[in-house]
Amino acid sequence: DGGITQSPKYLFRKEGQNVTLSCEQNLNHDAMYWYRQDPGQGLRLIYYSQIVNDFQKGDIAEGYSVSREKKESFPLTVTSAQKNPTAFYLCASNVRYRGLEDEQFFGPGTRLTVL
Amino acid sequence: RKEVEQDPGPFNVPEGATVAFNCTYSNSASQSFFWYRQDCRKEPKLLMSVYSSGNEDGRFTAQLNRASQYISLLIRDSKLSDSATYLCVVNTGGFKTIFGAGTRLFVKA
Repeated sequence: DGGITQSPKYLFRKEGQNVTLSCEQNLNHDAMYWYRQDPGQGLRLIYYSQIVNDFQKGDIAEGYSVSREKKESFPLTVTSAQKNPTAFYLCASNVRYRGLEDEQFFGPGTRLTVL
Repeated sequence: RKEVEQDPGPFNVPEGATVAFNCTYSNSASQSFFWYRQDCRKEPKLLMSVYSSGNEDGRFTAQLNRASQYISLLIRDSKLSDSATYLCVVNTGGFKTIFGAGTRLFVKA
């Protein structure tokens, strides 16, 4: 089955620690995204990547870092510089068709809690 | 002004009711439009793409008004299973996709 997997589903972190969230897709999509969702709010873009070895900051990139060494993988590191990291993190991927954005497919998400 | 604004909700409706959600967007150059459904503590999933001519999928109808820059979603004959948060999503081109905050729907027996 094609899809996006994220791990872990739940993650607890102590203040001052860096943590890495995994995102893998086997949909052969070029573009991948990381979003953050807080209660009662829409999704906010952290980083996105259009192709391997290239990525761009989104609206709230401060305190986060990413890498895109393989087409299938787009891990997100939440660093200690992120002031309020407790949130629901969603990874997504999609294709562009005729220059337009196609739907984004989402992974099941990682719920990060800072203790 | 937010780039994508939705009815704040929540909407509480009985089974069988018809309910309509509205969404407005600020960027007139927006190109692609979608409605997603998100269940509690789950990831969003595509409900419908929205086309200029309007489109229907069973009990769901989506419409786009480019002149007024709004999108609507109509759900007829509501089911208990329709209870969820509905997200209005707009793409302005260049990998810039904006998600609305969502409208929560509760369908009650």
